[in-house]
Amino acid sequence: DVKVTQSSRYLVKRTGEKVFLECVQDMDHENMFWYRQDPGLGLRLIYFSYDVKMKEKGDIPEGYSVSREKKERFSLILESASTNQTSMYLCASSLYRNNNSPLHFGNGTRLTVT
Amino acid sequence: GENVEQHPSTLSVQEGDSAVIKCTYSDSASNYFPWYKQELGKRPQLIIDIRSNVGEKKDQRIAVTLNKTAKHFSLHITETQPEDSAVYFCAALLNDYKLSFGAGTTVTVRA
Repeated sequence: DVKVTQSSRYLVKRTGEKVFLECVQDMDHENMFWYRQDPGLGLRLIYFSYDVKMKEKGDIPEGYSVSREKKERFSLILESASTNQTSMYLCASSLYRNNNSPLHFGNGTRLTVT
Repeated sequence: GENVEQHPSTLSVQEGDSAVIKCTYSDSASNYFPWYKQELGKRPQLIIDIRSNVGEKKDQRIAVTLNKTAKHFSLHITETQPEDSAVYFCAALLNDYKLSFGAGTTVTVRA
């Protein structure tokens, strides 16, 4: 069974802090994704990566950056956290690069920025 | 980018009745349409998907239909049970990578 692990379940940070959200998958998946989930807005794609050191902007990349130095790890970085980044963050991975393979999600990190 | 609209936002059904959730998408090039179920406090999980070369797919009590001409697809749950209570998300895939999700439907099955 695929396991996608997010380092923190709950996180509280102050405005202006630099925040790192870590995600690791153990099934050698090529694609990795970061979504944020907000009530009434569904899941919105922030960034994704289809290979090591590759990244692509999703629909709402502003205020975020990512890093993929190793295939199994995909980090989301909030350079200067703001209150409107309070949200549930979901990491996901999928197997194939050019195919319609299912997304496997982590348990999520609920981030509160005060 | 792709825009996916999902209706209704909430749905309450009596146990044993059917539930239907509808989604529309904007880009005719979208070719893959999965549905995810998220139980309270848990991660979203794929429950069924359909590709653009198929009009209908069924898996036990759940089925999905796709109308490419009208650009809409639907999830049908028959004989609903309490464990079907969850948030359901539809999604559409454009350009191989970008999966765009609907806003979600909260389904409550009343005993």
